Amino acid sequence: DVKVTQSSRYLVKRTGEKVFLECVQDMDHENMFWYRQDPGLGLRLIYFSYDVKMKEKGDIPEGYSVSREKKERFSLILESASTNQTSMYLCASSLNPSGPFYEQYFGPGTRLTVT
Amino acid sequence: QQQVKQSPQSLIVQKGGISIINCAYENTAFDYFPWYQQFPGKGPALLIAIRPDVSEKKEGRFTISFNKSAKQFSLHIMDSQPGDSATYFCAASGAGNMLTFGGGTRLMVKP
Repeated sequence: DVKVTQSSRYLVKRTGEKVFLECVQDMDHENMFWYRQDPGLGLRLIYFSYDVKMKEKGDIPEGYSVSREKKERFSLILESASTNQTSMYLCASSLNPSGPFYEQYFGPGTRLTVT
Repeated sequence: QQQVKQSPQSLIVQKGGISIINCAYENTAFDYFPWYQQFPGKGPALLIAIRPDVSEKKEGRFTISFNKSAKQFSLHIMDSQPGDSATYFCAASGAGNMLTFGGGTRLMVKP
């Protein structure tokens, strides 16, 4: 059974703190993604990675950075958390898109509150 | 700027009825249109998907209708059940497996 796990389901942090969100997949997928989910806005892509140590900006990268040191692990970093980063964060993974399949497998999400 | 617009934001349907969710897109380079289903406390999961070379795809009670000229596609849930109550996201993708999601529709099916 495919699995994407996220380190925390709920997280409360203070403004200005450095925050790490961890994601691990056990499917040997090349691609990994970080999204934030907000009501009415759907899922918006923050960053993605198509290989170890490779990263690309998504639609809303400001205030975030990422790290991918191992194929199975993709970390999202909030350098200095702000209240407008309060959101649900979703990690996903997929096979290399050179094949016909584009399915992304999602983790359960981390609900981050910044106070 | 939302490249994929989804409506309605919320929908209430009686058990046995038909649920219809609509999406419209701008980018003509999109070539893959999936729908994801999300239950509370879970991440989204792929429900059904279509490519623009067909106008309709059916899987059980779920059907995608696709209108390439109008740049619109929709999800129809026939014989809606309370277990279908969830949030549904349409999405579109071009090269590189980059999904652009719609804003989501919260569906409630009343018993």
